Amino acid sequence: EADIYQTPRYLVIGTGKKITLECSQTMGHDKMYWYQQDPGMELHLIHYSYGVNSTEKGDLSSESTVSRIRTEHFPLTLESARPSHTSQYLCASTEGANSNTGELFFGEGSRLTVL
Amino acid sequence: AQSVTQLGSHVSVSEGALVLLRCNYSSSVPPYLFWYVQYPNQGLQLLLKYTTGATLVKGINGFEAEFKKSETSFHLTKPSAHMSDAAEYFCAVSSGGYQKVTFGIGTKLQVIP
Repeated sequence: EADIYQTPRYLVIGTGKKITLECSQTMGHDKMYWYQQDPGMELHLIHYSYGVNSTEKGDLSSESTVSRIRTEHFPLTLESARPSHTSQYLCASTEGANSNTGELFFGEGSRLTVL
Repeated sequence: AQSVTQLGSHVSVSEGALVLLRCNYSSSVPPYLFWYVQYPNQGLQLLLKYTTGATLVKGINGFEAEFKKSETSFHLTKPSAHMSDAAEYFCAVSSGGYQKVTFGIGTKLQVIP
């Protein structure tokens, strides 16, 4: 089993609240990702990181922000949640070597509902 | 550039019947190909992958997929569906290294008793 953990698994919160979704991995992977997943839609990459102090925006524009202060930790923050942020957020990681095939290891997801 | 097309967002099969989920890809370089499975309220779990070598790859739970370069396909099959196979299946392509992984839209498999 992959050693990547997300908390909380489920979160229901009111509009305007600040939230942080936690993601940690114990595999020493350099590369980490956040995907957003809505029912019936493809996975959208919203943020990624190639290592400590490296963060990049993904293909889908998102109002969320991320940080990478430690290799194992890649939290996602929404400063002011809105109903349009309601979605499932998936964290993933992979090795950073050039020989890497791109195989991703996923956490179990955080399902966010903003009322 | 790379892309993935999964034909059929919903597939229904009877228990015991053949499962066939279709995936076509495009890639400007030799691809790495993956199938992931997602059960309700879970993350994605790797089912199988093609990197190099043998074009027929076997995965967990009796699934297998064949890489056909001439058809740019990587279809997923299982000879006999089980109720526990009901899930969503995602095909993905990567160029490896520091390149991003591209996912298909997913195929939801329903198994009818």
